[in-house]
Amino acid sequence: DAMVIQNPRYQVTQFGKPVTLSCSQTLNHNVMYWYQQKSSQAPKLLFHYYDKDFNNEADTPDNFQSRRPNTSFCFLDIRSPGLGDAAMYLCATSRDRGVGNIQYFGAGTRLSVL
Amino acid sequence: RKEVEQDPGPFNVPEGATVAFNCTYSNSASQSFFWYRQDCRKEPKLLMSVYSSGNEDGRFTAQLNRASQYISLLIRDSKLSDSATYLCVVNDGTYKYIFGTGTRLKVLA
Repeated sequence: DAMVIQNPRYQVTQFGKPVTLSCSQTLNHNVMYWYQQKSSQAPKLLFHYYDKDFNNEADTPDNFQSRRPNTSFCFLDIRSPGLGDAAMYLCATSRDRGVGNIQYFGAGTRLSVL
Repeated sequence: RKEVEQDPGPFNVPEGATVAFNCTYSNSASQSFFWYRQDCRKEPKLLMSVYSSGNEDGRFTAQLNRASQYISLLIRDSKLSDSATYLCVVNDGTYKYIFGTGTRLKVLA
């Protein structure tokens, strides 16, 4: 059974129309991450939560926000999607940060912007 | 220089062949090393962790060379189902996992 679940699997939005992507986990892991991956590129970390503490990457645009209302759920909000935001968005979890902690990925949400 | 570098390939090999990929990393303080497999338009899935001198799992062997700062992945007796992109991932002991851009493998019948 999937342990990191992302919804929806495919999302189509219009230019400038806000969109929310969802991630849930049954692993009870402390850390949840959001990555953006474009074709033939490595996943790029947008931000992560360590428990309730939000940690933004320095180069993540303000257009991207996140919420973690409880341990199990984490949301990615894109306030005004542009054409350049079309990508696969991957949610991942790990038990903790640091040595030996493995990341587990959800199946991803593929976002198209029209 | 990229933090984690991989040969993008593609590596086209016949079924049954042995193939090896290398990955170099620039941060000598790196602590944990992983190989992930990613199929086209799917999520990365953990293939192997590499913690010390390497480890083996069936047809797959991963090696770590700290002195030269590289890890390798060896696949023996390649199967058609091994066709995928193999991502090298390095962790420096913090929250940050640095991904390589991946090496594409295509196993041919």
